[in-house]
Amino acid sequence: KAGVTQTPRYLIKTRGQQVTLSCSPISGHRSVSWYQQTPGQGLQFLFEYFSETQRNKGNFPGRFSGRQFSNSRSEMNVSTLELGDSALYLCASSFIQQGPTDTQYFGPGTRLTVL
Amino acid sequence: GQNIDQPTEMTATEGAIVQINCTYQTSGFNGLFWYQQHAGEAPTFLSYNVLDGLEEKGRFSSFLSRSKGYSYLLLKELQMKDSASYLCAVRPAGTALIFGKGTTLSVSS
Repeated sequence: KAGVTQTPRYLIKTRGQQVTLSCSPISGHRSVSWYQQTPGQGLQFLFEYFSETQRNKGNFPGRFSGRQFSNSRSEMNVSTLELGDSALYLCASSFIQQGPTDTQYFGPGTRLTVL
Repeated sequence: GQNIDQPTEMTATEGAIVQINCTYQTSGFNGLFWYQQHAGEAPTFLSYNVLDGLEEKGRFSSFLSRSKGYSYLLLKELQMKDSASYLCAVRPAGTALIFGKGTTLSVSS
């Protein structure tokens, strides 16, 4: 079974631009969560999608948004990029993200650098 | 609110045993998870605990006390390849995993 895939793996943008990141979950998984990882803050939860609906949202500004398609693939968008948005963006998928044993599996991440 | 604490760094030598502690305060509890993350790589799942007690998985064991909001990850017979960041995460009821900032473990020979 293929793992979680994310594209692109690396991205360089300048302040003010916008960016779209893509995530394909493990086949059969319907929940997709997005995290931002920085050296100072660790892994911070952005949002979670299940069956094309945002089910949970972390404490990030409205510049961060996402969506999920009917095939469970997900995209996240960051508009008006700031230097502080430079981070590793990780996507994780799980079956339904409800049960205590429903493990999340992570993709390799997209390394975003904002200049 | 949600709060997960774990030590920032730990060091140990090959062959030794190391215990990485994690304390948490969350609104609701639906499992505690441990992940390993090598530098430049994605986190990989190690173990989960739902009920109090010890779960053993080869060289790795994880313990949970829900009443104390406390967990630890025990690594035995340390190897150089165990040098990594270890992330403690809690799943509050009905939400995605909330992670601690991670403990960077350095294993020396």
